[in-house]
Amino acid sequence: ETGVTQSPTHLIKTRGQQVTLRCSSQSGHNTVSWYQQALGQGPQFIFQYYREEENGRGNFPPRFSGLQFPNYSSELNVNALELDDSALYLCASSPRGGAGQETQYFGPGTRLLVL
Amino acid sequence: RKEVEQDPGPFNVPEGATVAFNCTYSNSASQSFFWYRQDCRKEPKLLMSVYSSGNEDGRFTAQLNRASQYISLLIRDSKLSDSATYLCVVTGGATNKLIFGTGTLLAVQP
Repeated sequence: ETGVTQSPTHLIKTRGQQVTLRCSSQSGHNTVSWYQQALGQGPQFIFQYYREEENGRGNFPPRFSGLQFPNYSSELNVNALELDDSALYLCASSPRGGAGQETQYFGPGTRLLVL
Repeated sequence: RKEVEQDPGPFNVPEGATVAFNCTYSNSASQSFFWYRQDCRKEPKLLMSVYSSGNEDGRFTAQLNRASQYISLLIRDSKLSDSATYLCVVTGGATNKLIFGTGTLLAVQP
């Protein structure tokens, strides 16, 4: 396995609620990227954190926010949940943010259902 | 136009068949290219990187044509265990973010 863990594995929320998803990166990796994968689609880049700073963002609204902690674990927060936020949320860790072509290692994902 | 385009399939093939997947990408500045494999309800896993010189890993061969912005994956002697979704991926921007195609579903039949 990749050594990247995510919690929770599954989550059910209702529209308008807020959710926090967590990711622990692989040992020695200081970069975490988050992706959203809707059913039948490829993963879409949400944002990346490198050494506790946001290091790039995809085409997602501000209600998607994140944090990275000194141990390089990360959180994805989504406010004011919408039905279309139902998806598999994946985090991927890599050893160095954007500086090279290092492989990104994915965690098992959190499956979020918004009712 | 999507940044990475793939035929979504499904490709239904018998065991032992050879199957080819194709992919095109729109950004000529893309630097790295990959094929990922994703099993049902699992995370994507790196299958192989793709280089202009072509690369082979056992039954799998990947090829990149930068001039045509075209990536291919060939699977020879298909096994039942090859059944999965194959995602074409390019990197983009300063973050080295991964840009995925929608994936091609392969079903290998006994």
